[in-house]
Amino acid sequence: GAVVSQHPSRVICKSGTSVKIECRSLDFQATTMFWYRQFPKQSLMLMATSNEGSKATYEQGVEKDKFLINHASLTLSTLTVTSAHPEDSSFYICSASLGSGGEDTQYFGPGTRLTVL
Amino acid sequence: QKEVEQNSGPLSVPEGAIASLNCTYSDRGSQSFFWYRQYSGKSPELIMFIYSNGDKEDGRFTAQLNKASQYVSLLIRDSQPSDSATYLCAVRPTGGFKTIFGAGTRLFVKA
Repeated sequence: GAVVSQHPSRVICKSGTSVKIECRSLDFQATTMFWYRQFPKQSLMLMATSNEGSKATYEQGVEKDKFLINHASLTLSTLTVTSAHPEDSSFYICSASLGSGGEDTQYFGPGTRLTVL
Repeated sequence: QKEVEQNSGPLSVPEGAIASLNCTYSDRGSQSFFWYRQYSGKSPELIMFIYSNGDKEDGRFTAQLNKASQYVSLLIRDSQPSDSATYLCAVRPTGGFKTIFGAGTRLFVKA
């Protein structure tokens, strides 16, 4: 199957700092990438969908100015959590798919665990 | 009504038994269906996808799709303790590019 990487796998930061998470598709070109957040013992929550070269589409309730998404190329998307606070501590997971419709499968990265002190 | 519904469990089965996980969806025109496994603290990993009515087998896993009844299931034969995880059902609605995930069913396989 397709491989998606994320970096870093774990980050601890102080409140008020910004954190950038990278998501890369290693062996395929991802037209669409998705960013999810998952709190302990809860289900995946889709935050936003990004297509290469265009602005991300955010889900209702997700602050686009706080969670900046850049999908600069077909293999790289970044999520920046700006001015992070303890309530932003969560497991952030990206996924990538080959196309924008049809039967395309989403492949998940290993996730980034963010802890904001 | 949630778009993709799963019993949260936990579903507990003895080692060697068949585990049956079920999922229903609301969009009758959905075309693509996926099962993911998520271990605690890890991200989801794809187990199987199915597009056509009927059964699809891959090793110990069988996905079953019934579009008329709007349900998809996953059978795990010869369950092993290492199968203990949360299983996520995912559906791609008609004309959509977002995959809708269920909340997951927790499975425990007792040794």
